[in-house]
Amino acid sequence: DQQVKQNSPSLSVQEGRISILNCDYTNSMFDYFLWYKKYPAEGPTFLISISSIKDKNEDGRFTVFLNKSAKHLSLHIVPSQPGDSAVYFCAARVLEGGADGLTFGKGTHLIIQP
Amino acid sequence: GAGVSQSPRYKVAKRGQDVALRCDPISGHVSLFWYQQALGQGPEFLTYFQNEAQLDKSGLPSDRFFAERPEGSVSTLKIQRTQQEDSAVYLCASSFIRRDEAFFGQGTRLTVV
Repeated sequence: DQQVKQNSPSLSVQEGRISILNCDYTNSMFDYFLWYKKYPAEGPTFLISISSIKDKNEDGRFTVFLNKSAKHLSLHIVPSQPGDSAVYFCAARVLEGGADGLTFGKGTHLIIQP
Repeated sequence: GAGVSQSPRYKVAKRGQDVALRCDPISGHVSLFWYQQALGQGPEFLTYFQNEAQLDKSGLPSDRFFAERPEGSVSTLKIQRTQQEDSAVYLCASSFIRRDEAFFGQGTRLTVV
């Protein structure tokens, strides 16, 4: 049973517009969420995170929103740039007392069209 | 080095062969993780080290998988008697402490033929 779900395998967005990537989770114990970005033949790179005590975290063009009641988070990229084309993974963990590793979704391939 | 380094980058093994995958974490990072990423999937947790202690090996898929980090720095993931289903990218990640964001290496792509 997948505890972190990214239901869109791919997403195409025009350069300069907003990209919205979605992630749902089923484990209510998760209290820390992360987004990683991955280019082909490279390892995932940390992008942004959010703790369950917050509902929004912003870093430059990247904003993550967390809706705990819906068990849903989203990553907004504004404005989208060609270099943003990559696979984006949503990940979650239980900070204290939980499993030691991250639980990842399957990823969403974001394609920024010129 | 500046980042997490993994070797080899690519490995082709015949079914039944043993393989060893190496991870050099960022210097000073206490926590080290191994993940397995099958094609079209997200990374899946295999095992976790805090210094030389293997604190969690709940994700290792079978007793053919073994990991070690004897001096609390370099780690090796060993797979004995490889099977086709072991074909995947094996990712190593390290962090200063467990709750920090982890830095990933480029991975080792293992293909079992």
